[in-house]
Amino acid sequence: EVQLVESGGGLVKPGGSLRLSCAASGFTFSSYSMNWVRQAPGKGLEWVSSISSSSSYIYYADSVKGRFTISRDNAKNSLYLQMNSLRAEDTAVYYCARDYCSSTSCYPEIHYGMDVWGQGTTVTVSS
Amino acid sequence: DIQMTQSPSTLSASVGDRVTITCRASQSISSWLAWYQQKPGKAPKLLIYKASSLESGVPSRFSGSGSGTEFTLTISSLQPDDFATYYCQQYNSYPWFTFGPGTKVDIK
Repeated sequence: EVQLVESGGGLVKPGGSLRLSCAASGFTFSSYSMNWVRQAPGKGLEWVSSISSSSSYIYYADSVKGRFTISRDNAKNSLYLQMNSLRAEDTAVYYCARDYCSSTSCYPEIHYGMDVWGQGTTVTVSS
Repeated sequence: DIQMTQSPSTLSASVGDRVTITCRASQSISSWLAWYQQKPGKAPKLLIYKASSLESGVPSRFSGSGSGTEFTLTISSLQPDDFATYYCQQYNSYPWFTFGPGTKVDIK
């Protein structure tokens, strides 16, 4: 079964740090770009960061650039999000999501959506 | 940055109704649009990509159309399992994805 399982969420004070993990199984993890997407309480979805299959290309939303770091370990089938200098507005459920492309080098014409999602892990930033 | 809007924000409908949700982009995104369904406490689920291509396993009562800046998601005959929130997502500026604010479909 194709599956993504996030972990590492919790309660942290403003200015603190947290590292999220996403364990992948049931597919060849090293062949896919991966994303982090978050959802603040009662709000919509916000793309946070993307990493290509070999970690060659990394992208961030402006709202987290300079504070968050995405990484992956293909040998461990795992995706990570290191979150530093956390703010109250980072409070959200964080999802990892697989990027479905027909090639390891992706662009709109061969992108078919985020087709596999984890169940999410909750991050609360509060004093 | 490409901004996405959706209308309506909330839609009340009955089982068997035909439902249409509109998504607009602030600039042309060709056909690079996906639709997701999300139920409370659950992760989003991919329904449609490339504006009109149905994801495998998604019921055929879901369909998408449009190109450029205006897109629609249609549910031909609303089923009890379809009451959820629906999000559009542009990927013209891949991988800088932008989601719409969502449309909640609830029971009339």
